[in-house]
Amino acid sequence: EDQVTQSPEALRLQEGESSSLNCSYTVSGLRGLFWYRQDPGKGPEFLFTLYSAGEEKEKERLKATLTKKESFLHITAPKPEDSATYLCAVDNYGQNFVFGPGTRLSVLP
Amino acid sequence: NAGVTQTPKFQVLKTGQSMTLQCAQDMNHNSMYWYRQDPGMGLRLIYYSASEGTTDKGEVPNGYNVSRLNKREFSLRLESAAPSQTSVYFCASSPGTVNTEAFFGQGTRLTVV
Repeated sequence: EDQVTQSPEALRLQEGESSSLNCSYTVSGLRGLFWYRQDPGKGPEFLFTLYSAGEEKEKERLKATLTKKESFLHITAPKPEDSATYLCAVDNYGQNFVFGPGTRLSVLP
Repeated sequence: NAGVTQTPKFQVLKTGQSMTLQCAQDMNHNSMYWYRQDPGMGLRLIYYSASEGTTDKGEVPNGYNVSRLNKREFSLRLESAAPSQTSVYFCASSPGTVNTEAFFGQGTRLTVV
């Protein structure tokens, strides 16, 4: 059974304290891996798509990387407005995505 | 630019009642999806429509039905609500007929008592 896990479940950082979130996947095939941000009470918002091992994408303080078994979302010098739940999802050549449970990030001023 | 619009935002139902969740997108996307989100479980696909006129079951379709009314609108119906259907429901759309980035609505928080 295809599975996506994320760690840690929750992360508290001080403003400016860089860290990484992990998304590990066990799937029969990988067409693409997606990162989303979700604010409380709102729907997920698309951040990045990664298609092959070694690929990297950047947006402001966020950088996503992909290996054959996992993806990392690196957050450099985070600000309080980066606080959110970060979701990863895998396209396993099926008709839909397999989502992970998310990492809840809190950045304290 | 509204994107994906869901109605209602909140709903409380009694066990056995029926209701329809409405979803509309204004981005001319081909594919539309209904997900439910429960604590600690991630988003799970209920039904999807890869293109106008087609619908298919996702991971958790039992107790639900869908209608792709036209390219813009995709509704989700609960025929006889059960407490296990208490959840937050999200509609999403994507431009292609295979998985590309999805755009989500604001969600419907449904409580079944």
